[in-house]
Amino acid sequence: KAGVTQTPRYLIKTRGQQVTLSCSPISGHRSVSWYQQTPGQGLQFLFEYFSETQRNKGNFPGRFSGRQFSNSRSEMNVSTLELGDSALYLCASSLDRAVYEQYFGPGTRLTVT
Amino acid sequence: AQSVTQLDSQVPVFEEAPVELRCNYSSSVSVYLFWYVQYPNQGLQLLLKYLSGSTLVKGINGFEAEFNKSQTSFHLRKPSVHISDTAEYFCAVSDSNFNKFYFGSGTKLNVKP
Repeated sequence: KAGVTQTPRYLIKTRGQQVTLSCSPISGHRSVSWYQQTPGQGLQFLFEYFSETQRNKGNFPGRFSGRQFSNSRSEMNVSTLELGDSALYLCASSLDRAVYEQYFGPGTRLTVT
Repeated sequence: AQSVTQLDSQVPVFEEAPVELRCNYSSSVSVYLFWYVQYPNQGLQLLLKYLSGSTLVKGINGFEAEFNKSQTSFHLRKPSVHISDTAEYFCAVSDSNFNKFYFGSGTKLNVKP
């Protein structure tokens, strides 16, 4: 069974631009969560989608948004990029509403210059 | 809300020596507890989890952890480490009611030959 895939793996953007990251969960998984990982703040929960609905949200500004499609694939979008948005963005999928059985993708490394 | 404290940011240890990575959590409700490992430039991989039942949990790669409710701890142990165990280890807690994950700041395990 294929694991969680994230595209692209690396991305360089300029301040003020916007970016879209993609996550394909493990086949059959309906819950997708997004995390931001930085050296200073560690791993922080962004949001979780289940059956195309955002079910939980972390403490991030509205510039961070996401969505989930009917095939459970998810995208997250960051608008008006800031230098502090440089991070590894991790996606995790789980089978159903219970997120404790999460499987993580390799992440997308975003660099904002 | 929950929080997770990993007491050691770095742990150096010689190969074949035992190791313990410490994790304490705070929560007013029942929690699920997890340990994840992250190798360089990769996503997180689940090592083990405590959901209920026996307080001694065995995971992959010879790791085990013990849930201690009175001390609110979930320390990770391995009796004999290998060079390949060099990685960053994250403790996490999830509240089943809110389906959110809270991660500790991570402990970098450096196994020396």
